[in-house]
Amino acid sequence: DTAVSQTPKYLVTQMGNDKSIKCEQNLGHDTMYWYKQDSKKFLKIMFSYNNKELIINETVPNRFSPKSPDKAHLNLHINSLELGDSAVYFCASSQDLPTGGRGNQPQHFGDGTRLSIL
Amino acid sequence: AQSVAQPEDQVNVAEGNPLTVKCTYSVSGNPYLFWYVQYPNRGLQFLLKYITGDNLVKGSYGFEAEFNKSQTSFHLKKPSALVSDSALYFCAVIGNTPLVFGKGTRLSVIA
Repeated sequence: DTAVSQTPKYLVTQMGNDKSIKCEQNLGHDTMYWYKQDSKKFLKIMFSYNNKELIINETVPNRFSPKSPDKAHLNLHINSLELGDSAVYFCASSQDLPTGGRGNQPQHFGDGTRLSIL
Repeated sequence: AQSVAQPEDQVNVAEGNPLTVKCTYSVSGNPYLFWYVQYPNRGLQFLLKYITGDNLVKGSYGFEAEFNKSQTSFHLKKPSALVSDSALYFCAVIGNTPLVFGKGTRLSVIA
């Protein structure tokens, strides 16, 4: 069974469209994340949820809106897509909070969604 | 703010030789340090971590890393490289802010 699964794997769409990426984890973890990996492979955290509550919201355009219906799911909706949004988006999960004394648990990553904006 | 530096974009090593992938960090307080590996078209996979205790940490696939507090380093090592170790390696640190990744080092093991 895949521990962290994302759909779709590939997303090709035109500028200005709205799209969603879904993520599910079956590890029983409390915390989930969205990361963006750019063309130079640089990885940056975007959002994190702990038990359905938003706990990390990095400097991301408000066109990006995460939603966590339950602690096993974290979706990412993107409005008005721009060329600069082209990247690979990774979902991840961890047992506990991502900072401080409880941040010592490894994160488990999905295989990514490759978003290409035409 | 915490940060991680991986000074080498690319490391080339012959199969069977030892390998080292370098990482230095900056964080206030005690660091939690991680190494992850990324194969093509895949997500990151956890290799090993340092939380506290023994400075030499052993992880998956025969990898190990040495925590050096005075040099603020956490270099990844393997005594004998395999062609299948060729991948992108990320060092990461957690302090009082969420996980911060280095820019990655591409390891090529040549047969």
